[in-house]
Amino acid sequence: RKEVEQDPGPFNVPEGATVAFNCTYSNSASQSFFWYRQDCRKEPKLLMSVYSSGNEDGRFTAQLNRASQYISLLIRDSKLSDSATYLCVVSGNQAGTALIFGKGTTLSVSS
Amino acid sequence: EPEVTQTPSHQVTQMGQEVILRCVPISNHLYFYWYRQILGQKVEFLVSFYNNEISEKSEIFDDQFSVERPDGSNFTLKIRSTKLEDSAMYFCASSQAQAGSPLHFGNGTRLTVT
Repeated sequence: RKEVEQDPGPFNVPEGATVAFNCTYSNSASQSFFWYRQDCRKEPKLLMSVYSSGNEDGRFTAQLNRASQYISLLIRDSKLSDSATYLCVVSGNQAGTALIFGKGTTLSVSS
Repeated sequence: EPEVTQTPSHQVTQMGQEVILRCVPISNHLYFYWYRQILGQKVEFLVSFYNNEISEKSEIFDDQFSVERPDGSNFTLKIRSTKLEDSAMYFCASSQAQAGSPLHFGNGTRLTVT
């Protein structure tokens, strides 16, 4: 199965910092891309979808580079509550196919 | 907001026993999934289910696993003869029909095989 690779971190940053996570995927046929957030021993929760033109949701900005098969997530003005593991998630090319998860990047925001 | 619900939250069983994990997907979703996450490892796909049949499964989903939608609301994962290495968090998820829909996960069942 094709893989999704992420820098595991941990990223330790102070409140207010800007932090960026990167992800690469190997299946060039992938059509859908997401960032999920997972708190310790909890279920993954959708943070945002990632669109080809890039998209922003408040302090979070996601970028996609299909040619390089690269996805990024930028978090501005980090909050203590942003501490979690961020999962890069990639789908196949048709409805119902499995989402493939990266192992995640751990973020710890301190005061 | 509608959510996926899973029961039980924690299941302890002895090696060789059968377990059934239960899920109620979001009511207007048509695709259903099981994933698992061994402690400290990544979320792994097991199986997807659509229109009352398996649409895709991973190499993890061998003959000891089965899924069923016994009625209009429940979606179950059965492990026939549990092994120690089946100990993990099992997540159910559902999505709407169209490609590109994100998955909505339940809060998981922690399975401990002793």
